[in-house]
Amino acid sequence: EVQLVESGEGLVQPGGSLRLSCAASGFTFSSYAMYWVRQAPGKGLEHVSVISSNGGSTYYADSVKGRFTVSRDNSKNTLYLQMGSLRAEDMAVYYCARESSVVVTATPRKKYYYYYMDVWGKGTTVTVSS
Amino acid sequence: DIQMTQSPSSLSASVRDRITITCRASQSISSYLNWYQQKPGKAPKLLIYAASSLQSGVPSRFSGSGSGTDFTLTISSLQPEDFATYYCQQSYSTPRTFGQGTKVEIK
Repeated sequence: EVQLVESGEGLVQPGGSLRLSCAASGFTFSSYAMYWVRQAPGKGLEHVSVISSNGGSTYYADSVKGRFTVSRDNSKNTLYLQMGSLRAEDMAVYYCARESSVVVTATPRKKYYYYYMDVWGKGTTVTVSS
Repeated sequence: DIQMTQSPSSLSASVRDRITITCRASQSISSYLNWYQQKPGKAPKLLIYAASSLQSGVPSRFSGSGSGTDFTLTISSLQPEDFATYYCQQSYSTPRTFGQGTKVEIK
């Protein structure tokens, strides 16, 4: 079964740190870019970070840049999010998600790759409070 | 960043109703548009990718259309299990931005 399981949930004081993990199973983890998406209480979905399949490329939302670090260990099929200098506005459910793609061949020379998050973990809750 | 705007923010409907949710991108995104369903306390679930392709296992009452900047998600005959919040998301560029969500409630 294809599965993502987050862990690392916790209550942290403002300014504190926390590391989230996301364990993958049932698929070739090293073949996929992986995302962290968060959802603050009663709010919508926000893309926090992404890491390429080999870990060579990363992206961070401006709201977390310089404070969060995404990494992965393909030998352990695990994705990480190291969070530091936590703020009240970081309080949210954090989801990890796999991004898959489908290729559409329009012409022999023209191909389009469409991307979508097709596998999600159940989420892990980060609470920031003194 | 590409801004995604959904309308309406919420709607009330009855079982067997046909409903349509609209999503507009702040710039052209071709067909790089996905739709997700989220129920309370659960992770989002992929419904539609590439604007109109139905994800495996998703009932055929769900359909998507559009390209460029304007997209729609249609549920042809609303079922009790469809009451949830729906999000559009663009995959044209990073960051992968989401719409603010449309909550579908029981009338």
